[in-house]
Amino acid sequence: KQEVTQIPAALSVPEGENLVLNCSFTDSAIYNLQWFRQDPGKGLTSLLLIQSSQREQTSGRLNASLDKSSGRSTLYIAASQPGDSATYLCAVNSSYKLIFGSGTRLLVRP
Amino acid sequence: DVKVTQSSRYLVKRTGEKVFLECVQDMDHENMFWYRQDPGLGLRLIYFSYDVKMKEKGDIPEGYSVSREKKERFSLILESASTNQTSMYLCASSTHLWNTGELFFGEGSRLTVL
Repeated sequence: KQEVTQIPAALSVPEGENLVLNCSFTDSAIYNLQWFRQDPGKGLTSLLLIQSSQREQTSGRLNASLDKSSGRSTLYIAASQPGDSATYLCAVNSSYKLIFGSGTRLLVRP
Repeated sequence: DVKVTQSSRYLVKRTGEKVFLECVQDMDHENMFWYRQDPGLGLRLIYFSYDVKMKEKGDIPEGYSVSREKKERFSLILESASTNQTSMYLCASSTHLWNTGELFFGEGSRLTVL
C-alpha cells in the first residue's frame, strides 16, 4: 500500500532564504508526482507535475526533483517571500488515484 | 486556464437534510473527483467519474452518492447529512485517468452539519 510522508510538518524561515520541502513514498512504481499549494480555507493549486520518466521540473522560483528508486521528491523554493506562506502538499499517482501527503505548513517571516 | 468551480463555498445544514454539492469544470476533462479534507486525516477520495454517467467508489463512499449527467458537471449528494460529514469538500478534474495528468481543484465547499 502506497504511503506518502512529508517532513517537516511545519517550517518557519526568514524572508529571502532558500528552502527544501521533502516528500517520501514507499512504493516506487508511480506514474507521476504532483506538488500543490494550499492557502488557508482554499482549494489546492497545482505547482508542478513530474512524470515518472522525468528527474525534475522547474517553474519560476520552484524546482521539484524526483528520485523514484529512493522514493523521494523535493520541492526547492528559491529566495522565499512572505507570499510563499502556505501549506505544500505532494501527491503520488501509483494507480487511478492520487495518494496525498499530510503537507508541510510553511511560514516565511518578513 | 483550467477552471473548476464549486457553487457553494460555505453551507450550514441540519442533520437529516439532503445536501447537494455542485462542481463544474470548463476544460472538457474526462475525469472528475470528489475529496474531503479533515485535519489530521488529509485528503480522502470519496468518488470519481471517468465519463458521463460513470462513477467509481473511492476510499470513503459511505453516506455519499454522485451524479454525472453532463461531462462538465459532477455533483456530490449527501442523502441524509450527519454531523460526521462536517468537512471541507474539494472537487477536482484531470485529463487522463490511468496515467493521471495534472489535477486541478476547485476552491472548496466548507460544509457544517448541525
